[in-house]
Amino acid sequence: EVQLVESGGGVVQPGGSLRLSCAASGFTFNSFYMNWVRQAPGKGLEWVANINQDGSQKHYVDSVKGRFSISRDNAKSSLSLQMNSLRAEDTAVYYCVRSSDSWGQGVLVIVSS
Amino acid sequence: DVVMTQSPLSLPVTLGQPASISCRSSQSLVHSDGNTYLNWFHQRPGQSPRRLIYKVSNRDSGVPDRFSGSGSGTDFTLKISRVEAEDVGVYYCMQYTGWPHTFGQGTKLEI
Repeated sequence: EVQLVESGGGVVQPGGSLRLSCAASGFTFNSFYMNWVRQAPGKGLEWVANINQDGSQKHYVDSVKGRFSISRDNAKSSLSLQMNSLRAEDTAVYYCVRSSDSWGQGVLVIVSS
Repeated sequence: DVVMTQSPLSLPVTLGQPASISCRSSQSLVHSDGNTYLNWFHQRPGQSPRRLIYKVSNRDSGVPDRFSGSGSGTDFTLKISRVEAEDVGVYYCMQYTGWPHTFGQGTKLEI
């Protein structure tokens, strides 16, 4: 069974940093590209970042370029999202997503003073 | 960026009746490889989204056959042949033909 378990969320002040992690199991991690998708409270879904199978290609939505960095460790079957210079508008539930077919339960990030 | 526009945004339905959601993209979703990368997701309150349909019309494993996807180019539709109580929630289309990947605004289906 595919499992994606996010961690690392919490409350952070504007301008601060946070690192999200996603532990993957139940599938061959290095065979799939991975994504982060977020959902602000009461709002719709927004794709944030994507990384290919070997980590050599990364894509970001414009609003996080230069602030967020996606990475993966295939040996540990883990995905990360380093978030710097956080803003109030980054407040959301962040989902780890395998390709587009499997989603984690999400982790809440609140950016507030 | 490709803008995805769903309609309606709110869809009141009667149990056992059909329902249809439209999704239009601001540009063609046909990829250079010939595929059209358009997904449909369903999100129940308090839950993570679940993919229903991939590449326009392919149902995911375990998805009831009352769900069907169709369309081409810039115009796509999700149809539910007979709505059941468990179908309530928000439906999203998403394109992954181009970067950034983008979602529609969501359509809230309620009984």
